[in-house]
Amino acid sequence: SVLLYQKPNRDICQSGTSLKIQCVADSQVVSMFWYQQFQEQSLMLMATANEGSEATYESGFTKDKFPISRPNLTFSTLTVNNARPGDSSIYFCSSRDGTGGIEQYFGPGTRLTVL
Amino acid sequence: AQSVTQPDARVTVSEGASLQLRCKYSYSGTPYLFWYVQYQRQGLQLLLKYYSGDPVVQGVNGFEAEFSKSDSSFHLRKASVHWSDSAVYFCAASPPNTGYQNFYFGKGTSLTVIP
Repeated sequence: SVLLYQKPNRDICQSGTSLKIQCVADSQVVSMFWYQQFQEQSLMLMATANEGSEATYESGFTKDKFPISRPNLTFSTLTVNNARPGDSSIYFCSSRDGTGGIEQYFGPGTRLTVL
Repeated sequence: AQSVTQPDARVTVSEGASLQLRCKYSYSGTPYLFWYVQYQRQGLQLLLKYYSGDPVVQGVNGFEAEFSKSDSSFHLRKASVHWSDSAVYFCAASPPNTGYQNFYFGKGTSLTVIP
């Protein structure tokens, strides 16, 4: 398995501001994934981030709104630009471990509230 | 449409009773299948996974799941639940048309175990 840490664990921000969420893995991983979860809803895959290349975004998510960086094999940052109340949700990062398994391991999540 | 369906949003059982949480998938080809548990205000934890082979797979904490190709299902079971099993359970699929790279989640089933 792989352990993932996220910072901050929660944040409150004003509409129109930007904020960054960091994800750190305890070992090198090829791909990191970002998910959005609204209260009592399922997780929606936002994007896949590989080292040294632009993230691949799912339908409904754009790099202008949610830019993602992946500078090395243990780290990724998700930015929420021009935050709106509708962005209030929990953001999770995940990855696979290095054993070749398909299962994903998740960070503890970052709870964002936009006022 | 391709999807993961968990038909029961909420399930309540008494401690010591048996449990089945339902999951059905709709994909071209057989996806890899997973069950995750999310305890309140925490990240997702992997319970079990199915890639191929024996349709009954064992997971942690006494959980098992059975894959049925004919029924396109992957139901989760436990013989005797404990109050600490109260949580939200997500079924997830990684379909072959994504090269088994992406995960898609059902909406989750919230389980309440009454002492």
